[in-house]
Amino acid sequence: QKEVEQDPGPLSVPEGAIVSLNCTYSNSAFQYFMWYRQYSRKGPELLMYTYSSGNKEDGRFTAQVDKSSKYISLFIRDSQPSDSATYLCAMNADSTLTFGKGTMLLVSP
Amino acid sequence: GAVVSQHPSWVICKSGTSVKIECRSLDFQATTMFWYRQFPKQSLMLMATSNEGSKATYEQGVEKDKFLINHASLTLSTLTVTSAHPEDSSFYICSARGTIDEQFFGPGTRLTVL
Repeated sequence: QKEVEQDPGPLSVPEGAIVSLNCTYSNSAFQYFMWYRQYSRKGPELLMYTYSSGNKEDGRFTAQVDKSSKYISLFIRDSQPSDSATYLCAMNADSTLTFGKGTMLLVSP
Repeated sequence: GAVVSQHPSWVICKSGTSVKIECRSLDFQATTMFWYRQFPKQSLMLMATSNEGSKATYEQGVEKDKFLINHASLTLSTLTVTSAHPEDSSFYICSARGTIDEQFFGPGTRLTVL
């Protein structure tokens, strides 16, 4: 079993939809949880980071962590075509980041 | 957020030549930087961890003599691909560690070896 599981997609939604992106993990030592957005041929951009279980909101983005279930989510409200990218979850333990494989999101106008 | 730059953004070279990629943290000091490799439609693969003033730590399967890493200052790390071959063609991305262990990524360097 891989440490971090993430559905590669692609996930196709119409503009304005609510998007839910998820990752599961097996290592209970993970302490920080991050979401990165990567456009094609670009480096990943840090979107959100969370430490504890619960929700964290930033504009149209909400990150959710459930440590008891080892499950994290990123919600995107009112999705836009410009949100089309690959979204990678990442988790930290002992100063090492472990990434999910990324989910490709396609938002059609 | 913190800004990390990479240079060059893309490079084409002949087989057998060496290529140097620079990674700079522009507005913060980074004692630790990371080098990743990414193939099309694949996730990031960590190659090595670069610590300022000390030798880099390479991941299993990464040849340290082929991928030379130098972290000479708190704002600069370099990756040199020595004697490059077509199979080294890839997208190389660096990152710098922030204060809570988050990583800020550079824009990446696309290497094509002919």
